[in-house]
Amino acid sequence: NAGVTQTPKFRILKIGQSMTLQCTQDMNHNYMYWYRQDPGMGLKLIYYSVGAGITDKGEVPNGYNVSRSTTEDFPLRLELAAPSQTSVYFCASSYAGVNQPQHFGDGTRLSIL
Amino acid sequence: RKEVEQDPGPFNVPEGATVAFNCTYSNSASQSFFWYRQDCRKEPKLLMSVYSSGNEDGRFTAQLNRASQYISLLIRDSKLSDSATYLCVVNIGASKIIFGSGTRLSIRP
Repeated sequence: NAGVTQTPKFRILKIGQSMTLQCTQDMNHNYMYWYRQDPGMGLKLIYYSVGAGITDKGEVPNGYNVSRSTTEDFPLRLELAAPSQTSVYFCASSYAGVNQPQHFGDGTRLSIL
Repeated sequence: RKEVEQDPGPFNVPEGATVAFNCTYSNSASQSFFWYRQDCRKEPKLLMSVYSSGNEDGRFTAQLNRASQYISLLIRDSKLSDSATYLCVVNIGASKIIFGSGTRLSIRP
């Protein structure tokens, strides 16, 4: 029973490089979310998806892109990495909408140097 | 004013004590509320949902006060394993999920 799986767990990027953070869930959840958490701060919503083929922006979408081709997968893409994107990234899923609790992956620690 | 505010703490209490902290929110249209627990360098994990009527799960009690726009978490008979950061979450809509910055709790022997 894997739940929400994120890869990689750690990554160091150079400024201007690109990468994709992977997220997959095996709970058949409709809603999926990407957050970032800076030190000492709460999580901030980057993008979310209410189902395959549907994505929308959260609070801090600039510099990121997402896609949702299947129910299970919700990758997050950084096109031109900047130091301000150094953070811990969490993917989460929930069965339905905002009244349902979210299940989180164990995070990707990303450093941009 | 922040949309969701929590006292950052740390709250440092002895084992067995009762501790409570609040989380205030500014948007009266907020729909649902949760408490999550986050251990150092780990992902948030759901502690409990918060219902209008209040709810209890073992040593934990959560309450919602819509008139004053805050939620609370009470922990009774605290254990060493309760040491963590407690995040409140306020949902206004699918695109508006606000996490508080968290309250750090440290239980000492």
